[in-house]
Amino acid sequence: GIQVEQSPPDLILQEGANSTLRCNFSDSVNNLQWFHQNPWGQLINLFYIPSGTKQNGRLSATTVATERYSLLYISSSQTTDSGVYFCAVDNDMRFGAGTRLTVKP
Amino acid sequence: DTGVSQNPRHKITKRGQNVTFRCDPISEHNRLYWYRQTLGQGPEFLTYFQNEAQLEKSRLLSDRFSAERPKGSFSTLEIQRTEQGDSAMYLCASSPPRTNTEAFFGQGTRLTVV
Repeated sequence: GIQVEQSPPDLILQEGANSTLRCNFSDSVNNLQWFHQNPWGQLINLFYIPSGTKQNGRLSATTVATERYSLLYISSSQTTDSGVYFCAVDNDMRFGAGTRLTVKP
Repeated sequence: DTGVSQNPRHKITKRGQNVTFRCDPISEHNRLYWYRQTLGQGPEFLTYFQNEAQLEKSRLLSDRFSAERPKGSFSTLEIQRTEQGDSAMYLCASSPPRTNTEAFFGQGTRLTVV
């Protein structure tokens, strides 16, 4: 099956810093989503982005389907951004291992 | 609509017992997914349905795990002869019938096998 790799596995930032999270996948996909899992375990959908670029406030995402990767950008990070960020690909939503983000005040 | 609903939220069971979890998707969402997540890991795919048809399932579901969605609405996940290694969070998600759209997760059922 399709392999999904996320990097970095862990990221610690000072509040206000910017960051880039990466998701690589091993085959072409029809569907790619980014999720945030908050400290209480709830998974929240951030973007549905099989290709192109989208922005939502301080967050934006870009998927380059031909090169099999997606990037999630977080600007001016806040402590509430802490948690684990996952990408999930294809119609059956296969997840990567995630990036654990800690934003310090 | 209050979102994807999972019941129970917590379940403690003795090793060897059977357990069943329920997931109620968002109304009119025809796709429903089940995942298992252990501490520090990403959600592990178990199975997904489109309406009542089970389109794909992991190898895990060929053993003690089974899932159903008999009328294309709610779904159940059953684990037979539970083992301590089954202790995990079991997550359900649903997505609407439009092609390629975002999915929404429930809050999960936390299973502890003692």
